This record gives sequence, C-alpha cells and structure tokens, in this order.
Amino acid sequence: RKEVEQDPGPFNVPEGATVAFNCTYSNSASQSFFWYRQDCRKEPKLLMSVYSSGNEDGRFTAQLNRASQYISLLIRDSKLSDSATYLCVVNRSPFSGGYNKLIFGAGTRLAVHP
Amino acid sequence: EPEVTQTPSHQVTQMGQEVILRCVPISNHLYFYWYRQILGQKVEFLVSFYNNEISEKSEIFDDQFSVERPDGSNFTLKIRSTKLEDSAMYFCASSEGASGRSDTQYFGPGTRLTVL
Repeated sequence: RKEVEQDPGPFNVPEGATVAFNCTYSNSASQSFFWYRQDCRKEPKLLMSVYSSGNEDGRFTAQLNRASQYISLLIRDSKLSDSATYLCVVNRSPFSGGYNKLIFGAGTRLAVHP
Repeated sequence: EPEVTQTPSHQVTQMGQEVILRCVPISNHLYFYWYRQILGQKVEFLVSFYNNEISEKSEIFDDQFSVERPDGSNFTLKIRSTKLEDSAMYFCASSEGASGRSDTQYFGPGTRLTVL
C-alpha cells in the first residue's frame, strides 16, 4: 500500500466550480500534513498546512481526520489560475524513524476551463 | 520574501561524469533537504541534513551521492558517477525546524539533470 494515496484525476471543472480532493495516508505516526501545489515542471509550492481542527485560507479549506487517516482540500469558486497538480504531503515524525522527511502523494491534476 | 535558490537550472552531462548541484537555503533555516522527481513521477525524498551531518537518507541515496555544506550559505548535492536513471529534477528544500509549525519545508526552483 502506498504511504500517501491520491486520486490522480484529472478533474476538469468550469470556472466558479467547487472541487474537492481527498488523500489517505498509511503511517499513523505521521506528524504534519500539507497541501502543496505544483505547476508543470516547477517546484512544489506550499498551499497550506493542515491542522486537526481544520483550517481555511480564502477559497481553500483543508480538513484532517486522524482517526481515518484522511486529508481533504476544498477549493471554492475555482479560477483558471488554480489549474495545477495538488500534492498531498505528510511529514514523518522524528520519533517514528522519519526525520522530518516529506512523503508525497502522486498528485491530483486540476484543469479549470472558462 | 526569502526563498531557496538553486544553480544551475539545467545541467546536461555524460554518463559516468560527476555533477554538483548547488543550493542556497533560506538564511535562518537549520534543516536542509534534497528531493528528486523523475519526469511524470512523484517527488521522492533523498536526504536530510542538520548540524553538518546527514539526519536520514533514502535507499536512493547510495554511495554515489554525497551532500555538503561547504560554507555558511551553500548546500550541495554531488553525484559521483552519473547514470542514465539519475536524469530527473532535483529540488533542494529547507526548514526552520523539525517539529511543530517550524517544520514547513520550502522548495527551490530545481535543477533539471539530463544524463546522456
């Protein structure tokens, strides 16, 4: 089983749509959780950290369910500029044998069209 | 806004040659990392570095790879004898800390390595 699993997509949505991405992780000792965004042939850029209480940043909302080992990202009012690959990323705890080591999912592609 | 920088942006080399990829992490960060991404695949961890020594390395990071912080600002990845399968995008990252809110890693723009 992959350590971080995501639906690869692509998700093709019109501008203004709401889209949700899901992610599951297998290592219950994982400490920190993130969504990164990656444009074609560019570096991963931090979109947002994900906290147990859930958190929101403008049009983006992230949720974490530690019991189910499940992370989600909701994008409201999609813009053309949101087209990218969204990477679910988990950070292993130093105390579980993974010294601040990011484990990446394969990413979910989003294409927003006019 | 401070950022991680990497040079060169693209390196082409012949199989068997040595390459050195360079990174300048964010200045107040203490933890440094290398990741790679083969075209069309996911980003993979290579190595983490703290306090002038390797904290952890993946099974990809074999004896052909080494890292060094030669001075107060640069962080380098050396591949001693490149193979075709080393062709990938190599990303350097840094973080302020290793736990809590300080463990967020920021990535450089990458070096595209092409081994012929």
